[in-house]
Amino acid sequence: DTEVTQTPKHLVMGMTNKKSLKCEQHMGHRAMYWYKQKAKKPPELMFVYSYEKLSINESVPSRFSPECPNSSLLNLHLHALQPEDSALYLCASRLTSGILYYYGYTFGSGTRLTVV
Amino acid sequence: QQQVKQSPQSLIVQKGGISIINCAYENTAFDYFPWYQQFPGKGPALLIAIRPDVSEKKEGRFTISFNKSAKQFSLHIMDSQPGDSATYFCAASKGYGQNFVFGPGTRLSVLP
Repeated sequence: DTEVTQTPKHLVMGMTNKKSLKCEQHMGHRAMYWYKQKAKKPPELMFVYSYEKLSINESVPSRFSPECPNSSLLNLHLHALQPEDSALYLCASRLTSGILYYYGYTFGSGTRLTVV
Repeated sequence: QQQVKQSPQSLIVQKGGISIINCAYENTAFDYFPWYQQFPGKGPALLIAIRPDVSEKKEGRFTISFNKSAKQFSLHIMDSQPGDSATYFCAASKGYGQNFVFGPGTRLSVLP
């Protein structure tokens, strides 16, 4: 299995809703990432988990809450989002040791989020 | 110093032509330079990558040229095909376990 699976693929939510995005990988990657991507822009780093511990939070508003329940699963909990949070949310994973470290990220296909 | 610059912003090439995308960086600590290809509605996919100890890497129709002294690297797509139409991001990272810095992207259109 060489994939990062993200669900749902599309999500429309109101500004008072609570929803969660899910990311799963079974490649044994111990670094997992959440990125936000706006149209015609590069991915923007939000959070990094290394060995299931949050190692980087790029000053993301608290209405985004990440969770890493185990080494294969990454969640992003959403609450009270704003319309400007509408974007493609990408999950990625990466090996953390050995020469294969240099193989870079494996990205999921993303969740297209629309906040209304 | 963390920035990676990329040009052109967009590129139109005829089928069979050569597509060239250029990137430049400032931070000499960067030691890994991947290129990602992204189709609409999909996540970026690793296309090809190079380390600064080599000047060129080729995989099929895709070649990275790397100029360490100029702090520049480029992606060449030979015999460009309409299926290559996508957005291409260069990136760089430094050290073990560090995250990537992405260039702003180049939207490539290959005309049939």
